[in-house]
Amino acid sequence: DTEVTQTPKHLVMGMTNKKSLKCEQHMGHRAMYWYKQKAKKPPELMFVYSYEKLSINESVPSRFSPECPNSSLLNLHLHALQPEDSALYLCASSPNTIGTEAFFGQGTRLTVV
Amino acid sequence: AQSVTQPDIHITVSEGASLELRCNYSYGATPYLFWYVQSPGQGLQLLLKYFSGDTLVQGIKGFEAEFKRSQSSFNLRKPSVHWSDAAEYFCAVAPISSGSARQLTFGSGTQLTVLP
Repeated sequence: DTEVTQTPKHLVMGMTNKKSLKCEQHMGHRAMYWYKQKAKKPPELMFVYSYEKLSINESVPSRFSPECPNSSLLNLHLHALQPEDSALYLCASSPNTIGTEAFFGQGTRLTVV
Repeated sequence: AQSVTQPDIHITVSEGASLELRCNYSYGATPYLFWYVQSPGQGLQLLLKYFSGDTLVQGIKGFEAEFKRSQSSFNLRKPSVHWSDAAEYFCAVAPISSGSARQLTFGSGTQLTVLP
């Protein structure tokens, strides 16, 4: 199994809603990431988890709250988002081994209305 | 700070023609180098990677890339493009350090259009 699975694929939420994005991998990877990608732009790193601990937060607003409940799961909790937060949210994972790459999920297309 | 430059925003080639996408990086030391491809609304798929050793690396779908240390470049090539290659291509770098997570820095991307 070499997949990173993200759910849901599409999400529309109001600015007062609370929602969560989910990411799952069963490759035994101990590093997991959230990236945000706006249209026609490259992905931008948001968070990095290493061994279930948050290791990097790229100054992301607190309305985005990551969680890593176990080594296979990564969540991104969303609350009081703004329309400018509409984007493709990509999850990735990688083993902590030299010479390996990150594997990406298909993303969640988020629209904030 | 590290940076990745893809000077070509958009490239158009005819099906069957050869392709070269350019990538230059600025980094303190030679980083890990990657090329990813993204179809519209989809995630990123790894085409190939360079960590060390042979500077000409082979990837999936007939792609190859050549690392040139003196030019800080990692250009992607394909001898004969297929219509299905139309997509966005991202060059990316990651720091080399044991145990580090693969936090990637991406170039701005090159959109490839393939004409029939």
